[in-house]
Amino acid sequence: DSGVTQTPKHLITATGQRVTLRCSPRSEDLSVYWYQQSLDQGLQFLIHYYNGEERAKGNILERFSAQQFPDLHSELNLSSLELGDSALYFCASSVGTGTDTQYFGPGTRLTVL
Amino acid sequence: GEDVEQSLFLSVREGDSSVINCTYTDSSSTYLYWYKQEPGAGLQLLTYIFSNMDMKQDQRLTVLLNKKDKHLSLRIADTQTGDSAIYFCAESREGYSTLTFGKGTMLLVSP
Repeated sequence: DSGVTQTPKHLITATGQRVTLRCSPRSEDLSVYWYQQSLDQGLQFLIHYYNGEERAKGNILERFSAQQFPDLHSELNLSSLELGDSALYFCASSVGTGTDTQYFGPGTRLTVL
Repeated sequence: GEDVEQSLFLSVREGDSSVINCTYTDSSSTYLYWYKQEPGAGLQLLTYIFSNMDMKQDQRLTVLLNKKDKHLSLRIADTQTGDSAIYFCAESREGYSTLTFGKGTMLLVSP
């Protein structure tokens, strides 16, 4: 158990819908990262927040957004969902930024029908 | 080509050693990581090595880094059926907060 929690574990929804994925980092961590894992693209970095501020963006679609709240938990919002958005979404956290070791949560499996 | 490359599949017998290989392209890679993903589970950090090291040993795991060839390997001694999983190599670079992952190597351990 890494200490990073994610909810829900599974999510099934329809195309065009909007969902919110939630992540709670380890108690000592200020950074939260979101990654998408799909069969064709592998593990892709989406976005990084540090202490409430966006620090880096990766291959994140405009339909996706994220935020980190004052209590340091983070939410990833996915809207206008398409079939191709079906994937495992992982959250990771680290103490700081840069090369600090990232600890991963168990992931949320999103299925878009 | 891909930033981080791994072979896709490795099959070994229980008790043998497993060696999973990874190559990377960026010479500014600072830390190199090995993560393990069991079916239906998240990514578990196994070990990591700083780029100025050649080798790191942690119980049954040995990481070897050849910086000149940009080649990283993970050796698992006395492989057990519980080691069956997907193993990901990842790199991080100074000044960047992201990890770049390989596609993963599926290790299958047969009794």
